[in-house]
Amino acid sequence: DAGITQSPRHKVTETGTPVTLRCHQTENHRYMYWYRQDPGHGLRLIHYSYGVKDTDKGEVSDGYSVSRSKTEDFLLTLESATSSQTSVYFCAISDRGNEQFFGPGTRLTVL
Amino acid sequence: DQQVKQNSPSLSVQEGRISILNCDYTNSMFDYFLWYKKYPAEGPTFLISISSIKDKNEDGRFTVFLNKSAKHLSLHIVPSQPGDSAVYFCAASAIGYGNKLVFGAGTILRVKS
Repeated sequence: DAGITQSPRHKVTETGTPVTLRCHQTENHRYMYWYRQDPGHGLRLIHYSYGVKDTDKGEVSDGYSVSRSKTEDFLLTLESATSSQTSVYFCAISDRGNEQFFGPGTRLTVL
Repeated sequence: DQQVKQNSPSLSVQEGRISILNCDYTNSMFDYFLWYKKYPAEGPTFLISISSIKDKNEDGRFTVFLNKSAKHLSLHIVPSQPGDSAVYFCAASAIGYGNKLVFGAGTILRVKS
């Protein structure tokens, strides 16, 4: 298995609070991605990174920001969490941009 | 507008029989297709892929077929085993699409013993 960890694995927070999710890889892969998984929607791309300090928006980026200051870490921040951001969040990494390898996920509940 | 569609939310198959999961896409620029398998409380795991220059790719019990003219691909699992029970996601990518994947909504496969 690719070396990807996500933290925290579970989080419950209140509407309006900031939340940061962390993805850490030990594979030295260039590309990193954040997805959310919701019933009926599959996996939807939030943001992705193609190198240190190089990021771009995905399909559902509103309300989310990301940062990548080191190859191994990719942070996803919800500046002011809303109930619609309750979801399971997955980080993925890729070396060549085709096959992506996923982390174990973070279950986020916004009350 | 869903570019990758998995129209069957669920599929139930008897152990030992064939499971066929289907996927349709609308973007003719897609040139690489992947299937992922996901168990509850785990991340998706890569299963098998196919390039648009091929129409079939096999890996053990898993075969993916690609019909470019119909913009359709399918995953065949033979024989199906109870451990294959999971959610299966189809995904597609395109050269120049920024190394991103577009996923379908997933199909829940239940293999009954």
